[in-house]
Amino acid sequence: DIQMTQSPSTLSASVGDRVTITCRASQSISTGLAWYQQKPGKAPDLLIYDVSSLKPGVPPRFSGSGSGTDFTLTISSLQPDDFATYYCQQYNTYSWTFGQGTKVDIK
Amino acid sequence: EVQLLESGGGLGQPGGSLRLACAASGFTFRTYAMNWVRQVPGKGLEWVSGISGYGTTTYYADSVKGRFTISRDNSRNTVHLQMNSLRAEDTAIYYCAKDSLMNFPHYFDSWGQGTLVTVSS
Repeated sequence: DIQMTQSPSTLSASVGDRVTITCRASQSISTGLAWYQQKPGKAPDLLIYDVSSLKPGVPPRFSGSGSGTDFTLTISSLQPDDFATYYCQQYNTYSWTFGQGTKVDIK
Repeated sequence: EVQLLESGGGLGQPGGSLRLACAASGFTFRTYAMNWVRQVPGKGLEWVSGISGYGTTTYYADSVKGRFTISRDNSRNTVHLQMNSLRAEDTAIYYCAKDSLMNFPHYFDSWGQGTLVTVSS
């Protein structure tokens, strides 16, 4: 199976900060990469699919980039509602795996 | 509006069985694959199983293959997960997740609220 490794595991930031989370695949996944946001006690919520396409309704401060094995989720100006855990997920092959998550908390 | 409502969670015995259900509404059910994703409380996400829109193809994580069975009833807009030979490591919140495509799992654009399965004697 393809392994997905996110970094960092935890990120402390302030409102207004630019935040970057990385996700590395153990082998090339082309553009089969999605990002999810999960808040405590809630189900995950799709943010981005196909590396860089925003789900309708997701604020444009979220963006995704990358290809092959290295991918990035960027929040251009962190808002109070963005403190959460973020997961990447690959869907390039007939196995569907998530990264271990990155918790974004208040500095 | 897409709605997914899971049920059937609870306490299961090691070696026993549980059957989860997910009732879907707000979209043309038969035209999307459906999935189950689980999460140990406080831990990460693990995809468990998926089923194509017409139910002809199923997919399983190695950790549940041979023990869990996914099925769907397109006349009732429901998807099930039959969980047999339960193990302590199956303890998790189980989420029903709508896929973005019909034929095989892809990415998951809507999720239910989850149902907690606890395996313990």
